Amino acid sequence: NAGVMQNPRHLVRRRGQEARLRCSPMKGHSHVYWYRQLPEEGLKFMVYLQKENIIDESGMPKERFSAEFPKEGPSILRIQQVVRGDSAAYFCASSSSGANVLTFGAGSRLTVL
Amino acid sequence: AQRVTQPEKLLSVFKGAPVELKCNYSYSGSPELFWYVQYSRQRLQLLLRHISRESIKGFTADLNKGETSFHLKKPFAQEEDSAMYYCALSFSGSARQLTFGSGTQLTVLP
Repeated sequence: NAGVMQNPRHLVRRRGQEARLRCSPMKGHSHVYWYRQLPEEGLKFMVYLQKENIIDESGMPKERFSAEFPKEGPSILRIQQVVRGDSAAYFCASSSSGANVLTFGAGSRLTVL
Repeated sequence: AQRVTQPEKLLSVFKGAPVELKCNYSYSGSPELFWYVQYSRQRLQLLLRHISRESIKGFTADLNKGETSFHLKKPFAQEEDSAMYYCALSFSGSARQLTFGSGTQLTVLP
């Protein structure tokens, strides 16, 4: 069991480009969560998804950010027209149905030049 | 709104000394509290949760509802305990509402 897999581990984008971060949950887990960690700050909840459904996106910025978890394939966090302030580590976590203990991925570090 | 506060960004202790990482929370209901740990070059992982009332790697944490605290303690720190520690709160019984503190970097000196 490879655990929660995130890729890419590091991503560099110029301002205005798009960033796509992928997350494959742990085998048997159907719930995916995205967190963002800005420099010098803690983890901030962004969005919670189940297959084909966004359950809670209360932590997502209103513009440029979107997330999906299709029936097949990984969950994707998409950031359009990136700005320097989007530079952060983005962590994905998964859990099994009804559980409130998360298994985290290694994170994807986005750097916007 | 719920909030988790870890007042110390950095904490250094000598090997064998007691260590306490502070965590305070604000929430009016009945929260579930967790400690997560991230060792160097490793993923964030669950260390312990208050409902388990167990000791993991010598660490314990007691939920004090009166003081709204969930401090993490270990009587004798080891060098391998050096890591980033995050306190987290779940208020709905569901991980979707897990709120994290800003973390404390613990360094255990030889």
